[in-house]
Amino acid sequence: AQSVSQHNHHVILSEAASLELGCNYSYGGTVNLFWYVQYPGQHLQLLLKYFSGDPLVKGIKGFEAEFIKSKFSFNLRKPSVQWSDTAEYFCAVTPNTGFQKLVFGTGTRLLVSP
Amino acid sequence: DTAVSQTPKYLVTQMGNDKSIKCEQNLGHDTMYWYKQDSKKFLKIMFSYNNKELIINETVPNRFSPKSPDKAHLNLHINSLELGDSAVYFCASSQSGTYTDTQYFGPGTRLTVL
Repeated sequence: AQSVSQHNHHVILSEAASLELGCNYSYGGTVNLFWYVQYPGQHLQLLLKYFSGDPLVKGIKGFEAEFIKSKFSFNLRKPSVQWSDTAEYFCAVTPNTGFQKLVFGTGTRLLVSP
Repeated sequence: DTAVSQTPKYLVTQMGNDKSIKCEQNLGHDTMYWYKQDSKKFLKIMFSYNNKELIINETVPNRFSPKSPDKAHLNLHINSLELGDSAVYFCASSQSGTYTDTQYFGPGTRLTVL
């Protein structure tokens, strides 16, 4: 069975700092990878996803993530965070076959101070 | 024009009671999901329906019974509520349920069992 680890549970940054949130997964086959975000008081929504091709994926609001297959990682990055990026970030994985069955990491709470 | 809606938003009840949570999506999607998010924010799939057919049924007590009267609705009924059922329950939907889909989440229902 697949599993997902997000190493940073809480991250505090100042505005304009660079962000990198770690995500590692465990699965024996090919996977699809996702980052979802939950802004305070809002629904979970998709930031970006990777299926195949270029391992560097760009998402909404200036976020990107890089899939490194040899490291089973899919880290999320943003060069310069804003106060509005304060949110909970979830990495998720599903096998690259059949119906989607997302397995989520435990989430990283990001607080950006103005 | 909410895409995925859930009712109620909050539910407080006594142990042993039976309760239902309703979910509706107006996106025209074929697949719907129920997730449970525990107090540590860990999000775990419970059930998924595709065209009203159950396709994912995780290890969930049989006190939990999903029902999909049509493609736009997926309700969750819980019998004999226990303290451990306290959590936030999220409904989601996606186009076809395949591994490439983006899931759209509802706002969540916070269930508190006293």
